[in-house]
Amino acid sequence: DVKVTQSSRYLVKRTGEKVFLECVQDMDHENMFWYRQDPGLGLRLIYFSYDVKMKEKGDIPEGYSVSREKKERFSLILESASTNQTSMYLCASSSYLGAASRDNQPQHFGDGTRLSIL
Amino acid sequence: AQSVAQPEDQVNVAEGNPLTVKCTYSVSGNPYLFWYVQYPNRGLQFLLKYITGDNLVKGSYGFEAEFNKSQTSFHLKKPSALVSDSALYFCAVRGSNSGYALNFGKGTSLLVTP
Repeated sequence: DVKVTQSSRYLVKRTGEKVFLECVQDMDHENMFWYRQDPGLGLRLIYFSYDVKMKEKGDIPEGYSVSREKKERFSLILESASTNQTSMYLCASSSYLGAASRDNQPQHFGDGTRLSIL
Repeated sequence: AQSVAQPEDQVNVAEGNPLTVKCTYSVSGNPYLFWYVQYPNRGLQFLLKYITGDNLVKGSYGFEAEFNKSQTSFHLKKPSALVSDSALYFCAVRGSNSGYALNFGKGTSLLVTP
């Protein structure tokens, strides 16, 4: 069974801090994703990565960066945390079966990190 | 551009009755459609997907969804609801001319009452 592990379930930080959210998957998936989930807004994609050291901006990348140095690990970085970044952050991964299938494989999600910026 | 609409914020149904959670989409190219469920304080779990083939797709926990190309819809259904089905449901879409990312709807909260 696929397991996506997010390092913290709950996190409280202060404005201006640099915040690291870590995600590890154990299924050798090529694709990894970071979303934020806010009530009434659903899931919004922040960044995704389709290979080590590769990254693509999602819909709301401002104020965030990512790092993927190893295939199994995808880190989300809040460069200077602000109160409007208080949210639930979800990491996901999926396999890539070649160009013909593109990203038709389901994404597997971690349990999320509820981040509060004070 | 691709988008998903879930027109109902909440759906209420009595246990044992059929349930429907609605989803409509807009994509460039052929649609790849997904349903996910989220239980409280958990991440999303995959329920089912439509890529090609039969319009009726069967998934986990007795759920199914019907793809309707002319109405650009992909409604989630279950013949007999259980109280344990109460959760938040998300529809997601990716177009065949799009990149890797899925677009998620805003979610529909399903409440099944005994």
